[in-house]
Amino acid sequence: DVKVTQSSRYLVKRTGEKVFLECVQDMDHENMFWYRQDPGLGLRLIYFSYDVKMKEKGDIPEGYSVSREKKERFSLILESASTNQTSMYLCATLRDGRSIGQYFGPGTRLTVT
Amino acid sequence: AQTVTQSQPEMSVQEAETVTLSCTYDTSENNYYLFWYKQPPSRQMILVIRQEAYKQQNATENRFSVNFQKAAKSFSLKISDSQLGDTAMYFCAFMTGTGNQFYFGTGTSLTVIP
Repeated sequence: DVKVTQSSRYLVKRTGEKVFLECVQDMDHENMFWYRQDPGLGLRLIYFSYDVKMKEKGDIPEGYSVSREKKERFSLILESASTNQTSMYLCATLRDGRSIGQYFGPGTRLTVT
Repeated sequence: AQTVTQSQPEMSVQEAETVTLSCTYDTSENNYYLFWYKQPPSRQMILVIRQEAYKQQNATENRFSVNFQKAAKSFSLKISDSQLGDTAMYFCAFMTGTGNQFYFGTGTSLTVIP
């Protein structure tokens, strides 16, 4: 089974801090995604990556950046955290050419105070 | 752009009864995939069932089945013999045939009542 892990389940940060959320997968999936999940809004795509060092903006990239230096690791960076970035963050992976859908990590609930 | 709509924010069902969750989508693509995901309270999102658009036969996974109406762009999920463990948020999702775009609905919170 594919395993997708995220560095923290719960995180509390202060406004203005730089925040790193990490996602690691143990299968050789080419594609990795970062979503934020908010009540009533579903999942919204922040960034995705289809290869090492490659990234594409999703629907809501403002205030975020990403890094993918190794195939198994995809990091989401909040350059200067703000209270409106308080949310659940989900990482997902997808193997090229597979139609079986994405695999999700357990999520990181980030609170910015 | 593709859109996915779930018009039922919350639903409830008695244990052992059947419930249907609705999902509609909009796309101009001919080749795509549809999914239902389940997110139990404080737990990981998992795939429940998937449907390839080119298949006319509705997908079934044990107590879960879909009613896929391609012309109507409708993709509902039926849960039979509901169990307490089915209590969760359910998301409908759309993936393009190339796998490079994913879209999710806003979710339906399902509560199974004992």
